[in-house]
Amino acid sequence: SAVISQKPSRDICQRGTSLTIQCQVDSQVTMMFWYRQQPGQSLTLIATANQGSEATYESGFVIDKFPISRPNLTFSTLTVSNMSPEDSSIYLCSVEGGQTYEQYFGPGTRLTVT
Amino acid sequence: QQQVKQSPQSLIVQKGGISIINCAYENTAFDYFPWYQQFPGKGPALLIAIRPDVSEKKEGRFTISFNKSAKQFSLHIMDSQPGDSATYFCAARGGGADGLTFGKGTHLIIQP
Repeated sequence: SAVISQKPSRDICQRGTSLTIQCQVDSQVTMMFWYRQQPGQSLTLIATANQGSEATYESGFVIDKFPISRPNLTFSTLTVSNMSPEDSSIYLCSVEGGQTYEQYFGPGTRLTVT
Repeated sequence: QQQVKQSPQSLIVQKGGISIINCAYENTAFDYFPWYQQFPGKGPALLIAIRPDVSEKKEGRFTISFNKSAKQFSLHIMDSQPGDSATYFCAARGGGADGLTFGKGTHLIIQP
């Protein structure tokens, strides 16, 4: 399985500001995903980020709020823009392992907006 | 619309017992069904997964049972241990989407 790291691991931010979360993988992967997990809740897919194409966003998530970059096959960023307390969540990136559909998750970034 | 329904929400099992968590799905286009284990402060870890062309898959103490006609699948943890205490999520993939749709999770406690 891939080894995935995220930075920062946690942050406390003021409302109205933006935070960029980085996701680094130790091997080249085609498909990367960003999920949100609100406190004590399940995971919700934000978007799919494939290298060389625009990210595909799920219903309820828009590019202006959650811009994503995917500059190469081992790295992606998710920005949470103009934050409000409702954005307080754990943000997780995941990667898909080749042809097996297996998805592996990073450790997550715990964001608190005050 | 919740596409994957998971139950129970919480479960307490005695050490050495069998833990059973159930999921039901609605979208018949789903073609991959994984289970994840998550400890507090950690990302979800893939436990075991199944495709709809098999009815059961076993890996160590973990077994997935799959019923395609009923659109249900379940996780069985045999000889449950206190270290298995965690939150478990079922998920599904397919229907033109590459990401996973998750159930709401089951908080499992194994009592020593």
